[in-house]
Amino acid sequence: NAGVTQTPKFRILKIGQSMTLQCTQDMNHNYMYWYRQDPGMGLKLIYYSVGAGITDKGEVPNGYNVSRSTTEDFPLRLELAAPSQTSVYFCASTSDRGTRVNTEAFFGQGTRLTVV
Amino acid sequence: EDQVTQSPEALRLQEGESSSLNCSYTVSGLRGLFWYRQDPGKGPEFLFTLYSAGEEKEKERLKATLTKKESFLHITAPKPEDSATYLCAVPLSWGKLQFGAGTQVVVTP
Repeated sequence: NAGVTQTPKFRILKIGQSMTLQCTQDMNHNYMYWYRQDPGMGLKLIYYSVGAGITDKGEVPNGYNVSRSTTEDFPLRLELAAPSQTSVYFCASTSDRGTRVNTEAFFGQGTRLTVV
Repeated sequence: EDQVTQSPEALRLQEGESSSLNCSYTVSGLRGLFWYRQDPGKGPEFLFTLYSAGEEKEKERLKATLTKKESFLHITAPKPEDSATYLCAVPLSWGKLQFGAGTQVVVTP
């Protein structure tokens, strides 16, 4: 059981380039999330998904896109990278247990992205 | 607006010196509170879930408590391996989490 796996771990992008951050989980969780973490700040939600084919914006979605074609995978796409997107990105997943949705989230190891 | 505030921002402790971290929140219809530990270069790792005021959870040298307005994470007789950033978060709809900025704890021998 690998949990939540993110690739790559590190990446340097030039301004205007694009890339996809990969996230896969093997726990059969329906709910998946992308957060970004900046120094001294809490994690901020970018996008989330409650199941295959269903995605929605979080707190800071501008400059990003997502798709969810399978339960396991939830890639995050950066188009036209900007220095403001320099951050550490975390993917997370959690199970939905009926009305009790407050089960703990499992996080990947993160992708450290620098845009220069 | 839902807000989660943690204090202090940083805490430096001698080994064995107990202390407490605070997490205060303004969330309508609180449905629990999570504590996570984050080591440098790693993702957050789940520690506790607290669901209602008065609830307490313990794990080794850590004890988390919850009131109607805040939560405390007590570290008793800490060891250097307890050095980490401790994050609290409240669940919103659809399992989304509203995080505090974290408390960075350093425990020196």
